[in-house]
Amino acid sequence: TQLLEQSPQFLSIQEGENLTVYCNSSSVFSSLQWYRQEPGEGPVLLVTVVTGGEVKKLKRLTFQFGDARKDSSLHITAAQPGDTGLYLCAGRRSGTYKYIFGTGTRLKVLA
Amino acid sequence: ETGVTQTPRHLVMGMTNKKSLKCEQHLGHNAMYWYKQSAKKPLELMFVYSLEERVENNSVPSRFSPECPNSSHLFLHLHTLQPEDSALYLCASSQVEKSYNEQFFGPGTRLTVL
Repeated sequence: TQLLEQSPQFLSIQEGENLTVYCNSSSVFSSLQWYRQEPGEGPVLLVTVVTGGEVKKLKRLTFQFGDARKDSSLHITAAQPGDTGLYLCAGRRSGTYKYIFGTGTRLKVLA
Repeated sequence: ETGVTQTPRHLVMGMTNKKSLKCEQHLGHNAMYWYKQSAKKPLELMFVYSLEERVENNSVPSRFSPECPNSSHLFLHLHTLQPEDSALYLCASSQVEKSYNEQFFGPGTRLTVL
């Protein structure tokens, strides 16, 4: 069974702090996605990374794909209460269009 | 309507009931998916339909029966469910020829089995 482990599982921080969420696997992925899911809603796609070492920025969010394409990180600068939610990574292996989802990181940003 | 819609948003049913979940995508995609999201477990892929043909079934119990009459509509028929089937059921769609195969999710149906 392919597993995508995310850490930490839970994170509660104050507004303005920085944080990093990790997504790790022993498998190589051809692409990896990050989603944010709010209570009662479906996941919303934030970014897709496809090249080893790739870095993408989305306002205060920075996404990095590991050089070996087995891991990824999401860094949030100056977190805001609106960043609160469940962050999911999902990896797709070469030759399939199916994505495997990670275990999730539940983030709470306190005002 | 835009994106992916799901109805109903909430459903409570007994173990002997029969119900159906509906998903509709307005994105012109050619693949649709059913996922199950339970507490403390990763999103589980249940079914994939690509070009209206079911291409994958991850050993889901037969009490779940999918139907995809066309590329825009997807149903999940439920019968004689168990309490452990209570979960958020998410529908997604994508365009499989696109290199990233980015999936777009609906808001989900929160199912409670009594």
